[in-house]
Amino acid sequence: AQKVTQAQTEISVVEKEDVTLDCVYETRDTTYYLFWYKQPPSGELVFLIRRNSFDEQNEISGRYSWNFQKSTSSFNFTITASQVVDSAVYFCALSEAQTGANNLFFGTGTRLTVIP
Amino acid sequence: SAVISQKPSRDICQRGTSLTIQCQVDSQVTMMFWYRQQPGQSLTLIATANQGSEATYESGFVIDKFPISRPNLTFSTLTVSNMSPEDSSIYLCSTREPLAYEQYFGPGTRLTVT
Repeated sequence: AQKVTQAQTEISVVEKEDVTLDCVYETRDTTYYLFWYKQPPSGELVFLIRRNSFDEQNEISGRYSWNFQKSTSSFNFTITASQVVDSAVYFCALSEAQTGANNLFFGTGTRLTVIP
Repeated sequence: SAVISQKPSRDICQRGTSLTIQCQVDSQVTMMFWYRQQPGQSLTLIATANQGSEATYESGFVIDKFPISRPNLTFSTLTVSNMSPEDSSIYLCSTREPLAYEQYFGPGTRLTVT
């Protein structure tokens, strides 16, 4: 069965600090997709990144970076030099090719608060 | 990505009534989905809205409770029937293109059942 675990329920950091959000996943499928979404206080869900199971290359986009490690089934998200606008709930999600990749299985989310 | 809108943005409804939520996309999309986010919780897929045929429901969700329509490639509705306070949630629609695996979400409909 598939599962996404975000062990950090809430994190608080002071502005300009770096912060890493952890995501551990479980799946029996050999082809799967991992995602990060941001849900700011306004409520909309914003897509940040997708990673395919066959592509372990890490990615950097501005202050955001993602570390995908199949050996530990982890897909961690780091924000460098955090800003108040980064305050949000962040969800890690998984979809599996064997089910057509239609169902996004979400973790329980990590609420990040950046203190000015 | 397509721009997705939902109506209403929020509503307060009485127990036993039904509410229909609309999802409108500004371009034709192949795949549309409906999710539920219960208070303080994560998102759970309710069903895949299939154009021209019945929706495909996930375990724990049934058509009688959550009837879905998808008359064309830009529009879908989700009805929450015979509501109870346990149905108080945010309901979100999303879209996905077949060759892309990420889903894009509408702004959500915040439903409170009293």
